[in-house]
Amino acid sequence: GAGVSQSPSNKVTEKGKDVELRCDPISGHTALYWYRQSLGQGLEFLIYFQGNSAPDKSGLPSDRFSAERTGGSVSTLTIQRTQQEDSAVYLCASSLGGLNYNEQFFGPGTRLTVL
Amino acid sequence: GQQVMQIPQYQHVQEGEDFTTYCNSSTTLSNIQWYKQRPGGHPVFLIQLVKSGEVKKQKRLTFQFGEAKKNSSLHITATQTTDVGTYFCALPGDSSYKLIFGSGTRLLVRP
Repeated sequence: GAGVSQSPSNKVTEKGKDVELRCDPISGHTALYWYRQSLGQGLEFLIYFQGNSAPDKSGLPSDRFSAERTGGSVSTLTIQRTQQEDSAVYLCASSLGGLNYNEQFFGPGTRLTVL
Repeated sequence: GQQVMQIPQYQHVQEGEDFTTYCNSSTTLSNIQWYKQRPGGHPVFLIQLVKSGEVKKQKRLTFQFGEAKKNSSLHITATQTTDVGTYFCALPGDSSYKLIFGSGTRLLVRP
């Protein structure tokens, strides 16, 4: 079936505006992750969802960042009052069960540019 | 907390030369994963290692898990231009579902 999809692929916004990034995980995958990747850098964990459990938000860099996952499927990452340092590629990944020995499948990412 | 070091940060080789990237953990690991990210692309899973001293091969790629399960390596024999990209190791984090990604080794191959 289809892989993880993300939209939009690119987003350019002005400082101070809010943005919403969307992730559609692989059907049947109960675990969903959001990561941030700055240019030439590694992957920074942001948030994790597993089934109906409370999400692990420990990686969110500030209270301007929030995410939700509706119906155990689609997830939206919202950044309020964007800042230039928020510019990065935001990657979503899903996996079976969420255990750390399960392979994570990544989406193509959303490249966010804050002017 | 979990500390991971991946070296080198960057390597530029002539096509046909070998390449190795190393991943070192501050703690004993239950498993380790390797991912490849092509330029402009997203990380793609390559392999998972679980057993002490495990060696797995995928064509020209050889993955090794150290005897103490604290380090791992990825070796590419006779690199090709298609090997270009960044190779990340990923270790179990501070919970049963987290992965901590290394900083990556960026490989460039001169044709």
